[in-house]
Formats: sequence, C-alpha cells, structure tokens
Amino acid sequence: EVQLVESGGGLVQPGGSLRLSCVASGFTFSNYWMTWVRQAPGKGLEWVANINQDRSERYYVDYVKDRFTISRDNAKNSLFLQMDSLSAGDTGVYYCARSEYGDYIDLWGQGTLVTVSS
Amino acid sequence: QSALTQPASVSGSRGRSITISCTGTISDVRGYDYVSWYQQLPGKAPKLIIYDVNKRPSAVSIRFSGSKSGYTASLTISGLQAEDEADYYCSSYTSSSTLVFGTGTTVTVL
Repeated sequence: EVQLVESGGGLVQPGGSLRLSCVASGFTFSNYWMTWVRQAPGKGLEWVANINQDRSERYYVDYVKDRFTISRDNAKNSLFLQMDSLSAGDTGVYYCARSEYGDYIDLWGQGTLVTVSS
Repeated sequence: QSALTQPASVSGSRGRSITISCTGTISDVRGYDYVSWYQQLPGKAPKLIIYDVNKRPSAVSIRFSGSKSGYTASLTISGLQAEDEADYYCSSYTSSSTLVFGTGTTVTVL
C-alpha cells in the first residue's frame, strides 16, 4: 500500500524542540520531493518546507527558517523535521507529503499533532 | 509569502454548479501554470483533486475542473452532491521555489 506515516508529535513547552519523522512505503521514496505542511487548529493549510530527491535543495517558509530543519534518509525511506525554539504559533497538525516535481502534492500522511504549551 | 485569497464560503443547491476563486500575485498564480486544488473532509488529510491548473488525477470525478486567467485560478464543481461538502484549498508554486496555499473555502450543499 502506498502510504506515509508520521510520528513524533506531542506536547512540548515553549522554547523546546521536537523531531518529527515520516516513513514512506509502497513507492520509490528516492524519486520524489518531500514536503511538510501544517494546519493550526481550525485554520487553513500552511506549507512549511520541502527537500528534493538528493537533498541538494531545501526550502522553508520564512517564519521557520533558522528554527526548523528538513532532512531525509533515502536508505530508510524516511523524512524528518527538526523543530527548535518552538512557540505557541507552531501548534498544529503536521502532514508529511509527497511531490513528484515540487509543484503539487499527490500523497499525504494522516498527520501528527504538535502542541506547544506550558 | 502571503496566502492566496479564496472566499471563506460558497454554497449551492444539489445538482447545480459552483466556482471557487483563488487570487494570487505575479510571483505565484500569474507567473506559473502550477496551480493545484485540494479537498479536505472533516478530520481527514487533504486530497489532490486538480493539478497544473486543469489536470485531474485519474481517480477524481470529472465533475471537478480547474482553470486560470491572469492572477486568478478557479475550481468548478458541477452537479453538486452532498459528498462535496468539504473545505477546498488552492495552492501555487512560487518564484521562491516554495508552495503557497490559499486561505481555504468551505463548500455547503443546500
């Protein structure tokens, strides 16, 4: 089955860190751009970051630059998001997503919830 | 990297057609034919329904169609059905090599 499964979400205090993981199965992971998208409670979708197939290109939305780092391990079919200096505004469901050329997303995970609160 | 502008809500009667607009800038919608649309049912992950402005994945109903003119892209749902009640988001590739989503539109079937 073609799928993406996220993990690593949870409750973290402001200023803390969290590392999200996403494991892909059912397709050739190394052939695709991979993306993180988040959705705050009751709000819309926000594109966060993406990474190309060989990790030579990584892009971030302005308000997470210098705080978040996207990475991947093609040997383990895995995508990661290291999140540092977290604030309440980072609370939301984080989706792992697949994109063949980086221009649209054709596969989404079920999401993992991150809650930043004291 | 401001969100693309969509109407907050659109409604229509069962069997009729509705259109959702998505307005951007020269750096995204106007500049690239890489607009996509997603349907999100309550409590679920989004689902791709249109890509590259007007292309439809094979498993998506032909009742969904997309178009673009200048700074505005549009999603049309024909023959509206109860199962179409959902949130809809547009997205565009940008000049910064990123993606930007729209503000989202809630569709209600009357």
